[in-house]
Amino acid sequence: GAVVSQHPSWVICKSGTSVKIECRSLDFQATTMFWYRQFPKQSLMLMATSNEGSKATYEQGVEKDKFLINHASLTLSTLTVTSAHPEDSSFYICSASGVSGGTDTQYFGPGTRLTVL
Amino acid sequence: AQKVTQAQTEISVVEKEDVTLDCVYETRDTTYYLFWYKQPPSGELVFLIRRNSFDEQNEISGRYSWNFQKSTSSFNFTITASQVVDSAVYFCALLSGTYKYIFGTGTRLKVLA
Repeated sequence: GAVVSQHPSWVICKSGTSVKIECRSLDFQATTMFWYRQFPKQSLMLMATSNEGSKATYEQGVEKDKFLINHASLTLSTLTVTSAHPEDSSFYICSASGVSGGTDTQYFGPGTRLTVL
Repeated sequence: AQKVTQAQTEISVVEKEDVTLDCVYETRDTTYYLFWYKQPPSGELVFLIRRNSFDEQNEISGRYSWNFQKSTSSFNFTITASQVVDSAVYFCALLSGTYKYIFGTGTRLKVLA
């Protein structure tokens, strides 16, 4: 149980385009989903937290207009990187928690590697 | 302040050796949760264990064992008889007060055949 999927697993795009990453909880209802960013050989950096049906809460320094997050259902959250630039290239990881407020264990997706040319 | 320290950046061992990964945490909360995750080269974080602050019992799962000591604010992870497949980055995380995980910087374990 507790499987989280991400799609796509990798994406290469041109500078200025937008990219959407999907995160799905396959066998449980994810009340809360989290989006992280990870640079090579570094730890995970929390970008934002989303609860189903409400607006995402962004961490300090994360541009909400650039990283659009939607949590439309209990099994799906999406992250859209708008007008992507090379500095947005990174490994993006989502996680999901089945308990409201995220006090439960987070289960992570396999990650999406974004390369912006 | 809440903080997780994994002082070992990288460890290399030879297969079948035992290895301990250290994790020291800081929190003022009396209720908190500690986690270990494994991140193999594929990138996906794999959940290994969750421990709450009221349960100091050590845990063993196969070749893995965890030593939780509140007196030293440590939650160390030992792999017995390491295998090449254990090669990965291991993250310790703290969940305290808010819903946000506080991750350590990770320890890269290399198990050599």
